[in-house]
Amino acid sequence: DTAVSQTPKYLVTQMGNDKSIKCEQNLGHDTMYWYKQDSKKFLKIMFSYNNKELIINETVPNRFSPKSPDKAHLNLHINSLELGDSAVYFCASRHRQGVEYGYTFGSGTRLTVV
Amino acid sequence: ILNVEQSPQSLHVQEGDSTNFTCSFPSSNFYALHWYRWETAKSPEALFVMTLNGDEKKKGRISATLNTKEGYSYLYIKGSQPEDSATYLCALPIANAGGTSYGKLTFGQGTILTVHP
Repeated sequence: DTAVSQTPKYLVTQMGNDKSIKCEQNLGHDTMYWYKQDSKKFLKIMFSYNNKELIINETVPNRFSPKSPDKAHLNLHINSLELGDSAVYFCASRHRQGVEYGYTFGSGTRLTVV
Repeated sequence: ILNVEQSPQSLHVQEGDSTNFTCSFPSSNFYALHWYRWETAKSPEALFVMTLNGDEKKKGRISATLNTKEGYSYLYIKGSQPEDSATYLCALPIANAGGTSYGKLTFGQGTILTVHP
């Protein structure tokens, strides 16, 4: 009954390949996110979708493309993988919590590009 | 760009010690602050959402305070246990001109807490 689940948990692939990471939430939340944990361990936002519509698109190489087939899913597709794409990627969803929002995170996908 | 700083970066304490760490942020245009507890290979777990200056929140042995005027929040753990070992993250959403949140959380680097038995 995992709330936000990401697959795969680990992904090792060669430079130049194209890969996808999937995210699903069973919480009924309308808004989902992708965050990347950078080399200094900071979590940095990449994208956000609200009910299948892209609402946040940070400065991310256009090799990264999010896709939301429905509001419960937000997948991340990465073309032409580079060594620098190696990182842990986190999916999250958002719900209203008083005047602010609460965020539920997945457990991360560790991508290693070799 | 929102600058969120956490200190110390890491902390080692003995079981039973009480400890605290800090999250600092710009006091202007504050909207909300989130604290998360994050164990390796698991999901960051929400601890507190704080919105008002002077807020104090408590969950078991963990509590947090918020001072929006001076731009800091403290997280306290009373009587630390080995299972408290984790990275503690604070995050603030960026508020837009209308005063609402886009939901773009800016995270600090975290404080890594290790509690030794």
